[in-house]
Amino acid sequence: EPEVTQTPSHQVTQMGQEVILRCVPISNHLYFYWYRQILGQKVEFLVSFYNNEISEKSEIFDDQFSVERPDGSNFTLKIRSTKLEDSAMYFCASSERPRGETQYFGPGTRLLVL
Amino acid sequence: QKEVEQNSGPLSVPEGAIASLNCTYSDRGSQSFFWYRQYSGKSPELIMSIYSNGDKEDGRFTAQLNKASQYVSLLIRDSQPSDSATYLCAVKGGSYIPTFGRGTSLIVHP
Repeated sequence: EPEVTQTPSHQVTQMGQEVILRCVPISNHLYFYWYRQILGQKVEFLVSFYNNEISEKSEIFDDQFSVERPDGSNFTLKIRSTKLEDSAMYFCASSERPRGETQYFGPGTRLLVL
Repeated sequence: QKEVEQNSGPLSVPEGAIASLNCTYSDRGSQSFFWYRQYSGKSPELIMSIYSNGDKEDGRFTAQLNKASQYVSLLIRDSQPSDSATYLCAVKGGSYIPTFGRGTSLIVHP
């Protein structure tokens, strides 16, 4: 069964460093998403991406964040200058169609900022 | 501010019983409703989606939606210890963006 994959599974970084989280969405899906979940808290939407551009973004997705689809398979989230409060689980998701459509989540990347 | 409220639990039920999980939402324009299961340290896994008022059944799971009361629930029949997890309610309006509740922790004890 097709699935969303994410690398790395864990990332430890120093405050102020840049990190890139990678995702490979399901191959026939056209809509991609990033979410984060701080430990013990709710899943929060960051950004959606379609046709090589951002469709929607939340207040969390400020200038330190960026997304890119560098090739036909990968979808990346870059955090330019990490802060302690960026420590969270980051989930990538994809869907075949947009509104109302089921989103399939990847296994997540656990980011720890020291 | 769109809100999705769930009782954090834990909800503890014996094996074989029916577990009832509830969710209320604030945005009357919400159109799509989802239940996800999340095991500790893992990603959300979709269990059910429901779009219109009434019940929708899939195996041991039944989702119930009442838009007038802004209420969606999930029933799990014949609960198994493997059902022990956190259940997330997610609600979408006309956009791509789902709003998640904090989740209800379910414990099914043998």
